[in-house]
Amino acid sequence: DIQMTQSPSSLSASVGDRVTITCRASQSISTYLSWFQQKPGKAPKFLIYAATSVLSGVPSRFSGGGSGTDFALTISSLQPEDFATYYCQQTYSTPWTFGQGTKVEIK
Amino acid sequence: QVQLQESGPGVVKPSETLSLTCTVSGGSIISYYWSWIRQPPGKGLEWIGYIYYSGSTNYNPSLKSRVTISVDTSKNQFSLKLNSVTAADTAIYFCARVLPSGSYRLFDYWGQGTLVTVSS
Repeated sequence: DIQMTQSPSSLSASVGDRVTITCRASQSISTYLSWFQQKPGKAPKFLIYAATSVLSGVPSRFSGGGSGTDFALTISSLQPEDFATYYCQQTYSTPWTFGQGTKVEIK
Repeated sequence: QVQLQESGPGVVKPSETLSLTCTVSGGSIISYYWSWIRQPPGKGLEWIGYIYYSGSTNYNPSLKSRVTISVDTSKNQFSLKLNSVTAADTAIYFCARVLPSGSYRLFDYWGQGTLVTVSS
């Protein structure tokens, strides 16, 4: 199985801050990497696929980067509605696997 | 707007079979992959498996011996059966649509999730 490791596991940030979450795969996954946002009691919301493609309707402050084994999700200016847990996921090979999550909290 | 809704018992006894159904509305089940994902309370996401509308399946090896996913295109539904459950199977179970985009797989629509507790 391909292991996905996110860092940090949690972070505290203020509204307006630039936030970057990283995701590392245990082997190369090309750009088969998605990002999700999950708020308490809700289903994950799909944000980014193919490492850099932002889903239509997702605010432009969200961006993704990387390829191979190292990836990043960046929120350029954190908004109150962005406080949530973020997960990366690889779909390079089954079993498709998720990172352990990064909780973004209010500072 | 595509919507997915999980249904099934909220409590299952140890050693018995967990059975859930996902009903798809606002779109056809044809031409997509359909997946189950679970999340133990307070923990991360685990992919269980998928079924293509044609019936082909792919399961997580960690659960493969206990899992069956099936599809009923006439009802626009797909289902999950997990047998011989233990407390470790207590989780929120989500169903999701998986959109094939070239060789990419996009988990674009999700159900709200249903909590299944394994308890006697």
